[in-house]
Amino acid sequence: KAGVTQTPRYLIKTRGQQVTLSCSPISGHRSVSWYQQTPGQGLQFLFEYFSETQRNKGNFPGRFSGRQFSNSRSEMNVSTLELGDSALYLCASSPRSTSGPTTDTQYFGPGTRLTVL
Amino acid sequence: AQTVTQSQPEMSVQEAETVTLSCTYDTSESDYYLFWYKQPPSRQMILVIRQEAYKQQNATENRFSVNFQKAAKSFSLKISDSQLGDAAMYFCAYRSTGNQFYFGTGTSLTVIP
Repeated sequence: KAGVTQTPRYLIKTRGQQVTLSCSPISGHRSVSWYQQTPGQGLQFLFEYFSETQRNKGNFPGRFSGRQFSNSRSEMNVSTLELGDSALYLCASSPRSTSGPTTDTQYFGPGTRLTVL
Repeated sequence: AQTVTQSQPEMSVQEAETVTLSCTYDTSESDYYLFWYKQPPSRQMILVIRQEAYKQQNATENRFSVNFQKAAKSFSLKISDSQLGDAAMYFCAYRSTGNQFYFGTGTSLTVIP
């Protein structure tokens, strides 16, 4: 099976712009989670989507949003970019057959490196 | 909220030797999962090993094994016969019953030839 793919791999934006990142999960996986990774804060959970619904949300401002499509592909949007949004954004997918607790492991994509100037 | 602590920002090991990476976590849950992920310079996060909290037996995957001490809330990773390809950032992660993941800040492992 193909792994988790993320596009684009690299992105440069300026402050105030908005950006959309895309994630295609492993075939058959229904859950997609997003993380922000920075040298100072490590990996921080943004949100999780399952069956087109947001199931979990981390402690990030409303400028960060996402959605999931019927084919389980997910997009993450950041509006009004700030310098501090520069980070590696990782997407992870897992099978997750129900909306409740699971035993699933997350499989990560290669990430999108966002630089805000 | 759950927290995961990796107290060793950097570790080094001689090739073919054994190294142990530490991880502690804080939780009030009784049922959860713990993971070790590896992130090489390519930045691709790779699952190394996982442990179910309800299992007393420590998980093992080839040269990788864990020492899971539930009462102490400790979850260390032992890498035996270290290889150059083991050089990476290692992250300890906790998954709650609500399926939310919490990651430690990572330990950078250097393997010395």
